[in-house]
Amino acid sequence: QSVVTQPPSLSEAPGQGVTISCSGSKSNIGNNAVTWYQHLPGRAPKVVIYYDDELPSGVSDRFSASKSGSTASLAISGLQSEDEADYYCASWDESLNVYVFGTGTKVTVL
Amino acid sequence: QVQLQESGPGLVTPSQTLSLTCTVSGVAITGGDSYWTWVRQPAGKGLEWIGRFYTRGGTTFNPSLKSRVTISVDTSKNQLSLKLNSVTAADTALYYCATSDSGWYMDVWGQGTTVTVSS
Repeated sequence: QSVVTQPPSLSEAPGQGVTISCSGSKSNIGNNAVTWYQHLPGRAPKVVIYYDDELPSGVSDRFSASKSGSTASLAISGLQSEDEADYYCASWDESLNVYVFGTGTKVTVL
Repeated sequence: QVQLQESGPGLVTPSQTLSLTCTVSGVAITGGDSYWTWVRQPAGKGLEWIGRFYTRGGTTFNPSLKSRVTISVDTSKNQLSLKLNSVTAADTALYYCATSDSGWYMDVWGQGTTVTVSS
């Protein structure tokens, strides 16, 4: 069981927005950079946010992220069918000395 | 353009050793300052970090797997390898190799290879 928790699922209508929370602790989210991965079935995971809030080249600016204390958040605005995927936050845990993924959130576009 | 391709036996017998290879193209594995990582995903479950090789600092493993895992590099073949011994059904998963110049994320991934542990 991961030490970083996310809501199992979120759903919203096309065009609307969702925010995924990622709750950890000082040893991971609180003190270290957070990455957000998008994982579509049958595809390799893809970085949509790195270094807490940085948007990689080529990723839609409908994705944004923030962090406060030991909780990180990923926001997706203007939902499109192509955004339907599993989303994982991840960070290094300096106490466990391991790279930890969050429990994952399945986003469904209604 | 860096590309990764995992390969290995799709079926492993319980208690035996799982051996996977990640063939790298587009860059020399030890040619720069980079991280080469293995990640797995059991069916219906989340992603789990197995460990990584850092070209400037050696290997780091998930403590939960550390006693059973070996990650190594074959520079002549430009391949990353994973060996996981004493496997059980719990090791059945989709295994990915991935890489990055940063220790904070993995931005290039292979397509993954499925391994089933069963007799």
